[in-house]
Amino acid sequence: AQSVTQLDSHVSVSEGTPVLLRCNYSSSYSPSLFWYVQHPNKGLQLLLKYTSAATLVKGINGFEAEFKKSETSFHLTKPSAHMSDAAEYFCVVIDSNYQLIWGAGTKLIIKP
Amino acid sequence: DAGVTQSPTHLIKTRGQQVTLRCSPKSGHDTVSWYQQALGQGPQFIFQYYEEEERQRGNFPDRFSGHQFPNYSSELNVNALLLGDSALYLCASRVFGGNQPQHFGDGTRLSIL
Repeated sequence: AQSVTQLDSHVSVSEGTPVLLRCNYSSSYSPSLFWYVQHPNKGLQLLLKYTSAATLVKGINGFEAEFKKSETSFHLTKPSAHMSDAAEYFCVVIDSNYQLIWGAGTKLIIKP
Repeated sequence: DAGVTQSPTHLIKTRGQQVTLRCSPKSGHDTVSWYQQALGQGPQFIFQYYEEEERQRGNFPDRFSGHQFPNYSSELNVNALLLGDSALYLCASRVFGGNQPQHFGDGTRLSIL
């Protein structure tokens, strides 16, 4: 069965410094993986997706993620954090019924 | 090109009442899923509709029901509301099948008093 583990419930960085949000997955086949972002009191916005093409995936707002099969990881990164990046981030894998399996979420805090 | 739209944005009900939430999918999408997101938690899958039928269901009681119309829009109905039903209800749409991502609306915030 597919599963997703987000390794940090909270990540705090200073504005202008790099962001790393960690995600490990478990899948019996080549997975499809996504990162979604949720700003306070808003819905979920797709940041980026991996569907077995290039292992380095670029998303919106300067985010990118690298699929590493050997490490079963799909970490989300951004070179320089902005105050507007403060939000909850969810790592998601698709199961065999095309349903989304959600990580518990990581709250990103940006310090001025 | 409108994305997923949900109505109403906020709703206040009392225990025992019934509620209907509405969703219009993104243009070109034919599959609608509903999620419940309690405060501080990730979304929990309620059910999915395609071709006006419930295709998959998560671990939710029969008090939660839905409908999909010929234009692909959808409704979520919850009967006999409980305090624990207070949550953000999210609608997501996509094209049926495949591994393309779902697109989400901004949700309906339901508060039960």
